[in-house]
Amino acid sequence: NAGVTQTPKFRILKIGQSMTLQCTQDMNHNYMYWYRQDPGMGLKLIYYSVGAGITDKGEVPNGYNVSRSTTEDFPLRLELAAPSQTSVYFCASSSHPGQGGTGELFFGEGSRLTVL
Amino acid sequence: LAKTTQPISMDSYEGQEVNITCSHNNIATNDYITWYQQFPSQGPRFIIQGYKTKVTNEVASLFIPADRKSSTLSLPRVSLSDTAVYYCLVGDLWISGNTPLVFGKGTRLSVIA
Repeated sequence: NAGVTQTPKFRILKIGQSMTLQCTQDMNHNYMYWYRQDPGMGLKLIYYSVGAGITDKGEVPNGYNVSRSTTEDFPLRLELAAPSQTSVYFCASSSHPGQGGTGELFFGEGSRLTVL
Repeated sequence: LAKTTQPISMDSYEGQEVNITCSHNNIATNDYITWYQQFPSQGPRFIIQGYKTKVTNEVASLFIPADRKSSTLSLPRVSLSDTAVYYCLVGDLWISGNTPLVFGKGTRLSVIA
């Protein structure tokens, strides 16, 4: 199992550009999440999904969009990038307790984004 | 959603036992307590989870008093490699339309030789 895979690992954007952070998991987890972490701070939840076709906003959704067309993939779209979106982005997945899991979050390695 | 409060930072010498306490006064009946560890430039990693009393695994122990308004993560005989940020999360594992687990600021543990 590869677990949770994020691409790209690093990216520099200019203000106003758009991009998509890719996230895929091979654990058949229903739940997927996107967090951002600013330097020296904790993680902030951007969006989450409880299954294919279902997404919901987290703590800091403004400036981002997501989609969940398959169980495996949960891409995060940044529209009109701003310097405030400079951060490290983490994708995570977890199993529903009904699947026999503990709700443990499995994280990807992160995507470091800089907006100049 | 239960709010958590942890110390911002702690220092410890190698070989000592470290106890990190988390306060969660408004914990709900269905909420579990989960601790994560994060090293620099990595995603958080699950350490331990519990609902009540004591839970122990190969890495740590988790103590939860009867009123469940706080919990204590215990790391036995820490080493330099335990230097990391530790997060306490409280929430309903089933989500059920509620906002899922959110991370606080965590406790930055520094282990000194």
